[in-house]
Amino acid sequence: GENVEQHPSTLSVQEGDSAVIKCTYSDSASNYFPWYKQELGKRPQLIIDIRSNVGEKKDQRIAVTLNKTAKHFSLHITETQPEDSAVYFCAASMNRDDKIIFGKGTRLHILP
Amino acid sequence: DTGVSQDPRHKITKRGQNVTFRCDPISEHNRLYWYRQTLGQGPEFLTYFQNEAQLEKSRLLSDRFSAERPKGSFSTLEIQRTEQGDSAMYLCASSLGKGSYGYTFGSGTRLTVV
Repeated sequence: GENVEQHPSTLSVQEGDSAVIKCTYSDSASNYFPWYKQELGKRPQLIIDIRSNVGEKKDQRIAVTLNKTAKHFSLHITETQPEDSAVYFCAASMNRDDKIIFGKGTRLHILP
Repeated sequence: DTGVSQDPRHKITKRGQNVTFRCDPISEHNRLYWYRQTLGQGPEFLTYFQNEAQLEKSRLLSDRFSAERPKGSFSTLEIQRTEQGDSAMYLCASSLGKGSYGYTFGSGTRLTVV
C-alpha cells in the first residue's frame, strides 16, 4: 500500500521568512496530493492540493510542487506569519474522494 | 448544516468495555471516512463508505472494530473490549464523492481507555 514520508518533523522559522516541507510517496498510482493544516485541538483543514497532471500550484503565500517521476512533493509558505504556526500534514490518494494516506506531520513554529 | 458532526466529543472508558461513536456527515455527502489520530502522528485510515456500502477496511484494524452506515447517512464506529492502545482521537470526514472537493473533517471523538 501507499506510504508517505514527511520531513522535517519540526521546523522553526523567523516571521517573514519562508518555510519548506518535503514529502515522498511510494505508490506510483497516487494522483492526488493534499496538504492539511491542524491547529492545536482542532480538526485538520485542507489548505491546498495538487493533482498529478500539474507540476506546481500557488494560492497566495502557499505553493505546492510535485515531481511525479521522483515521487516528491513539497509545500512552500512564503512571508510566514504567526498564524501559520501549526502542524502540517502531506498526504496522497488516488483521487480526491478515495482514502487518503497521511504523513506524520511537521510542526511549524513561527518565531517573532 | 454546519459541517461534519461527531458525538461524543470525549469518552473515557474502562479497559474491556465497548464504546460506540457517531458521525453525521454533511448532507448529500456520499462518502464517509473514519480515521484515528494519536498524539504526534498523522491521521491513520480505518475505513470508508460510499453511501451504505463499506468500500475498504484497513488491514491494521482488528476484529474488535466495526463500522456501519445503515441508511447511507450517519455512521457508527464501535470498538469492543477496549484496550489502552485504543486511546486516540477518532476523526470522521465526508465528501461529495465523484472526485469533488475532497474531505471535510469533523472535530473528532477523543477516547481515553483507563
